[in-house]
Order: sequence, then C-alpha cells, then structure tokens
Amino acid sequence: AQSVTQPDIHITVSEGASLELRCNYSYGATPYLFWYVQSPGQGLQLLLKYFSGDTLVQGIKGFEAEFKRSQSSFNLRKPSVHWSDAAEYFCAVGASNTGNQFYFGTGTSLTVIP
Amino acid sequence: GAVVSQHPSWVICKSGTSVKIECRSLDFQATTMFWYRQFPKQSLMLMATSNEGSKATYEQGVEKDKFLINHASLTLSTLTVTSAHPEDSSFYICSATPPGGAYGYTFGSGTRLTVV
Repeated sequence: AQSVTQPDIHITVSEGASLELRCNYSYGATPYLFWYVQSPGQGLQLLLKYFSGDTLVQGIKGFEAEFKRSQSSFNLRKPSVHWSDAAEYFCAVGASNTGNQFYFGTGTSLTVIP
Repeated sequence: GAVVSQHPSWVICKSGTSVKIECRSLDFQATTMFWYRQFPKQSLMLMATSNEGSKATYEQGVEKDKFLINHASLTLSTLTVTSAHPEDSSFYICSATPPGGAYGYTFGSGTRLTVV
C-alpha cells in the first residue's frame, strides 16, 4: 500500500539557519514525488517535484530535494531559511502508472524564529 | 501557468442546509479533478475523483449521497455538501492536472466550510 511519512510534526529553526524536512514513502512502482507548501487558510503551492533523472531537484523559493531510492526518502532542504518560509509543508507521492491520486504525508509545521 | 480557481473561499451555513463549492480550471481543460478534505492540523485526504461526463469515484468511507459531485464541463467540477452538519466543517480543496503531463497537480485555494 502506498504511504507517505513525515516524521517531524513540527520544526523550529532560526532565521538564516539551514533546514531539512524529512519524507519517507512506501510505493510499489516508480513514484512521482512532490513537495507542497501551505500557508494558513490557503491552498497548496508546488515547491518541486521528482519524476526521473537527476535525483537532486531544484524548486522555487530556494528549496531543493534529493530522491534516495535506497532509503525511500525525498527530503526537502533549504540552506538559509527566511521568516516567510513559516508554513505547513506536505510531501506527496503520485501514482505514475495511473496518473491519478496523491497520497499526502501528515505535514510538517515550520516555525521560524528571528 | 495552470490555474485552478475555487469558490467560495469560505462559507458559513446552518445545519441541514446544502452548500455548493465550485472548482474551475481557468486556462486548461481538465477531464479529471480531485476533491480533498483537510481537518485542522491534519493532512489532505482524497474524497473523490471527479470525471467529466460520468459519475465520480468516491474513496472508501465517503458518503456519495452526502457529497454530490458534478463535473458537467471540462473546466468545472462542483461539490455539494447536502444536509450539512457541524462535523462537515472542514477545509475542502480541489485539484486538477493540466493535460499532457504529470506536472504536479494544481490545487485550488480551498474553501473553509463552517456549519453552525
């Protein structure tokens, strides 16, 4: 069965510090992997995605993520966090064979302290 | 870029009434749209897959008679919460994929439903 795990429910970092949000997935086929960000009361904005090829993908707002098949992970990173990065972050896996449905992780809430 | 518009952004209704939420793909045609539900501090859970011109496919545990989905055109899907109750209060989000690729689904901005 497909599943996505985000082990960290809440993370607090200082502004300017580096950030890594963890994501592990369980999927039987080749996964399509995504990271989304959600500000309070808002919809989801796509940060980046991985389908194939280079396992290090660059996204918007200075985020990047690395796909590690051996670890079934797709961790999100940012070298220097800004106060505006405070939000909820969701990792998701998509069904590449059907093109339908996303399975979302439970999300990681990021707090940035000055 | 692909844009999905959702309306209304928020709605308050009385218990027992019905509420309709619209999801529109503004600059592309979407034969398939998806409806998600998100409770506070929780993740998104897929409710149903909306298929243009045919019946929606509901996830296990989702009452199809309570959450009516209509996908009458290639750019519009509607979710109607019938006989709403306070436990239906939630954040509802739709998504669609532009044709030609799994570029990552585009999500609407969501609808906050409060049933009083």
